[in-house]
Amino acid sequence: DTEVTQTPKHLVMGMTNKKSLKCEQHMGHRAMYWYKQKAKKPPELMFVYSYEKLSINESVPSRFSPECPNSSLLNLHLHALQPEDSALYLCASSQVGGGWEQYFGPGTRLTVT
Amino acid sequence: QKEVEQNSGPLSVPEGAIASLNCTYSDRGSQSFFWYRQYSGKSPELIMFIYSNGDKEDGRFTAQLNKASQYVSLLIRDSQPSDSATYLCAVKGNQGGKLIFGQGTELSVKP
Repeated sequence: DTEVTQTPKHLVMGMTNKKSLKCEQHMGHRAMYWYKQKAKKPPELMFVYSYEKLSINESVPSRFSPECPNSSLLNLHLHALQPEDSALYLCASSQVGGGWEQYFGPGTRLTVT
Repeated sequence: QKEVEQNSGPLSVPEGAIASLNCTYSDRGSQSFFWYRQYSGKSPELIMFIYSNGDKEDGRFTAQLNKASQYVSLLIRDSQPSDSATYLCAVKGNQGGKLIFGQGTELSVKP
């Protein structure tokens, strides 16, 4: 059983839609991450929140907007996406400090039509 | 030069053999090293992490770290068909929790 959950599992959206991806962790971690993964490629970091504050933004286009309402929740708001944004979106969490071991959720498979 | 390099494979081993997966990294100051297993269509699963030079064993898995050679490896003993997956090597960067991933090695264990 994963202690990082993501909803929805699958999402199909048009280029004019607005949608949100949700992530919740029950591990007591204080760092949370959003990654994007294309087929046959490693995960690509998008955003990092540490103690509910945005600490890393990897120059992600503004059509992706992260939000961390509290230490257990992480959202990714999507607006005016392009077909090339279709990918597996992964959430992860870790402790802050120590080894920073990251644990991934099951991901949301996003298709932009 | 890529920061974390892995052989892309595919690496094919017979059932019961030892699978050896290798990874090199460029930042000599790196302190934390991770191996993730990813089945097709699934998310990465953390299977090993290592911080000190030497070997770390967990069941059929052994992680080996040599900081002088900037080399980390994963050995899988008694390989099973269920071990067939892509194995991602990751190194913690110097920005908070940022991980630098290798391209992954695809492992195929043949019955």
